[in-house]
Amino acid sequence: SQKIEQNSEALNIQEGKTATLTCNYTNYSPAYLQWYRQDPGRGPVFLLLIRENEKEKRKERLKVTFDTTLKQSLFHITASQPADSATYLCALDMTGGFKTIFGAGTRLFVKA
Amino acid sequence: NAGVTQTPKFRVLKTGQSMTLLCAQDMNHEYMYWYRQDPGMGLRLIHYSVGEGTTAKGEVPDGYNVSRLKKQNFLLGLESAAPSQTSVYFCASREVKRTSGKETQYFGPGTRLLVL
Repeated sequence: SQKIEQNSEALNIQEGKTATLTCNYTNYSPAYLQWYRQDPGRGPVFLLLIRENEKEKRKERLKVTFDTTLKQSLFHITASQPADSATYLCALDMTGGFKTIFGAGTRLFVKA
Repeated sequence: NAGVTQTPKFRVLKTGQSMTLLCAQDMNHEYMYWYRQDPGMGLRLIHYSVGEGTTAKGEVPDGYNVSRLKKQNFLLGLESAAPSQTSVYFCASREVKRTSGKETQYFGPGTRLLVL
């Protein structure tokens, strides 16, 4: 069956460290993968997109990698800050599709 | 530019009651989506629309109906609410073209629904 898996356990890290979140998928062949941030009581907000032919994408303190052989994406936040505390969702889009498939998300807590 | 707005923000229903959730977007997007979000299950697609006058079923459509009479509005209806429909409902919109910078979805703030 098709699945997207993100760590269900919350990730707790110290301010200034690098947070690494994992997204694994099975039985999908995505054209691209997206990462969204969701704060409590709010809708998800887009952060980064990486295509199937790209290995890595960066935006300020954020970095995403995409390994289509391993069927895995890693999302890194460097020099993390308490304001980075939120739930992070990964999402897959298929070629020619209308729909985006979302993972359940990983909660990140950054302690000062 | 308000983006995507949803009304109401919160609602309590009794089992068997009906209601309509309204989603509006001012970005002239063709695609619109309704999701529900439950703890530990992520966002699940209920229905979606690829243009005015069109709708299609998503992953969990049972118990819901939708209409897209105007491009900017996407309505989600519950004809006879059940406790299993207690959830947070999110609407989202997206442009058609899958060119760089156009693929992302824009979400509304959500509607919290409690069915007793």
